[in-house]
Amino acid sequence: EAQVTQNPRYLITVTGKKLTVTCSQNMNHEYMSWYRQDPGLGLRQIYYSMNVEVTDKGDVPEGYKVSRKEKRNFPLILESPSPNQTSLYFCASSYGLAGGNEQFFGPGTRLTVL
Amino acid sequence: QQPVQSPQAVILREGEDAVINCSSSKALYSVHWYRQKHGEAPVFLMILLKGGEQKGHEKISASFNEKKQQSSLYLTASQLSYSGTYFCGTEFAGGTSYGKLTFGQGTILTVHP
Repeated sequence: EAQVTQNPRYLITVTGKKLTVTCSQNMNHEYMSWYRQDPGLGLRQIYYSMNVEVTDKGDVPEGYKVSRKEKRNFPLILESPSPNQTSLYFCASSYGLAGGNEQFFGPGTRLTVL
Repeated sequence: QQPVQSPQAVILREGEDAVINCSSSKALYSVHWYRQKHGEAPVFLMILLKGGEQKGHEKISASFNEKKQQSSLYLTASQLSYSGTYFCGTEFAGGTSYGKLTFGQGTILTVHP
């Protein structure tokens, strides 16, 4: 089944404790992206990757890191999480935004930073 | 710059029509529309590209006014399943913006029997 998977789905952590949210897709998509969703603010792009070893900042990259060492995986790293990073996170993948390709979203990761 | 969606919320009876608008202050390369139901991930509806190309589901229609940098999503003969939050995402034209997708704040659509 074609899908985007995220792990963990729920996470409660404390300020400053490094964490990684994994994202994997099995559709051979070149484009992958991370979003955070907060009430009233919609979806905000954190980082995106047009292909392996190519990553770019979205609108809200501060406090986050990503890497794209292989095509299928695009982990999101919070080196020192803070309470303002409490949010719902979505990973998405696509053949590429150009040419009208839809993004497939993962199920989401709900992160709480205490 | 986040695109502005209007209205923020709309309530319909089954069978009624609705239009959701998305406006940008910057030149656009593409507009993406997604629907999200409560507790679920966003689901693709349509993409409109500069130059007129569109890709999306057959029952969904939308327009893209390149001069005004506006897009509208048309929901006709609404069904209960149309309920959810609708997001437009904009990809800006030119420079290093390709691939960067900025979403609006969302429009909550509620369809009653």
